[in-house]
Amino acid sequence: DTEVTQTPKHLVMGMTNKKSLKCEQHMGHRAMYWYKQKAKKPPELMFVYSYEKLSINESVPSRFSPECPNSSLLNLHLHALQPEDSALYLCASSQDSGAGSGNTIYFGEGSWLTVV
Amino acid sequence: AQSVTQLGSHVSVSEGALVLLRCNYSSSVPPYLFWYVQYPNQGLQLLLKYTSAATLVKGINGFEAEFKKSETSFHLTKPSAHMSDAAEYFCAVAKGSQGNLIFGKGTKLSVKP
Repeated sequence: DTEVTQTPKHLVMGMTNKKSLKCEQHMGHRAMYWYKQKAKKPPELMFVYSYEKLSINESVPSRFSPECPNSSLLNLHLHALQPEDSALYLCASSQDSGAGSGNTIYFGEGSWLTVV
Repeated sequence: AQSVTQLGSHVSVSEGALVLLRCNYSSSVPPYLFWYVQYPNQGLQLLLKYTSAATLVKGINGFEAEFKKSETSFHLTKPSAHMSDAAEYFCAVAKGSQGNLIFGKGTKLSVKP
């Protein structure tokens, strides 16, 4: 079962709200990723977790806070976002060494976030 | 540093015609290269990948790509386009030891009846 599940599919939040995006995979993958995709643009890496530890943070503002509670789950906590943060947020997973060893990175369907 | 360049932000073909989507890479080491497809309002799905096992790579939905080191290219082709192939296509290269993906800017494929 090559599936990454993301919830919610759509989220509208105000600039003072606190919300979370959730991601789950049951492929036994030990690397998990958050990407951000603006309209008509390619996905851009935000965070990488490897064996439940944060290994890459691409200089993402602190209003985005990732969390990896266990090897199957990945959350993205959102607080005090700006309208320009509105985008599609994609979760992904892969075997531990990621695409650097030719492994496939599997993507979820994404969560559409609108900040008002 | 690894990077990919996709030539043509929009390609339009007739149904049944050849599909050719261009991707050139830049890498100081032998690269791992990927093609993903994104249908409207969906996530990304892997079409195929090059991992140095074979230069001609066959993927899903009748797509294939050929790795050409001399041309630093990894173009995606399909002999006969279907309406259902209309989507955004991204070429990507693996970056660094962590192996996350660096994407090209994407090519939107339109298929005319």
